[in-house]
Amino acid sequence: NAGVMQNPRHLVRRRGQEARLRCSPMKGHSHVYWYRQLPEEGLKFMVYLQKENIIDESGMPKERFSAEFPKEGPSILRIQQVVRGDSAAYFCASSPRTANGYTFGSGTRLTVV
Amino acid sequence: SQQGEEDPQALSIQEGENATMNCSYKTSINNLQWYRQNSGRGLVHLILIRSNEREKHSGRLRVTLDTSKKSSSLLITASRAADTASYFCATALANAGGTSYGKLTFGQGTILTVHP
Repeated sequence: NAGVMQNPRHLVRRRGQEARLRCSPMKGHSHVYWYRQLPEEGLKFMVYLQKENIIDESGMPKERFSAEFPKEGPSILRIQQVVRGDSAAYFCASSPRTANGYTFGSGTRLTVV
Repeated sequence: SQQGEEDPQALSIQEGENATMNCSYKTSINNLQWYRQNSGRGLVHLILIRSNEREKHSGRLRVTLDTSKKSSSLLITASRAADTASYFCATALANAGGTSYGKLTFGQGTILTVHP
């Protein structure tokens, strides 16, 4: 059981480029969550997905950010036209049922230069 | 202030001492969870306590929940240098049916430093 796999671990993008962050949930987990953590802060909820469905995207910025969890393959968090303020650690978590203890991935650290 | 606030922000103790961290929240919850994060790493789930539970133990960890005060505490007994990390509480809100909703709301965390 490989746990929640996120890649890449580190991603550097220039302002205006696109960032794609991938998350493969634990085997048997059908609930995926994305969180963002700014330096010295706690995690902020972004989006909650199940296969092919966005359940709650109340934490997603209205522009430039999108997420998907297709029937096959990993969940993708996509940030278009990145800006310096997007620099953060993005964590994915999965659970077999809603909001019982999550299993977190190791995160993707995005740096926008 | 936000749902899930930890107190203190930072705690520094000697190995062998006990560490107590507190968490307060504002709305009705289905459950409350504690996580640990080592510097630069992902979060590790420590313990989940449901709204109808008052206390839970796991190894050297003891969690209490007081729903009347909307607060929880995490006690780490006989601390070790390896316990040095940030500790976060997270709440899962109750939906209209009383079951958990999905997303967790995290506090800002307590930075625990255990000196050998």
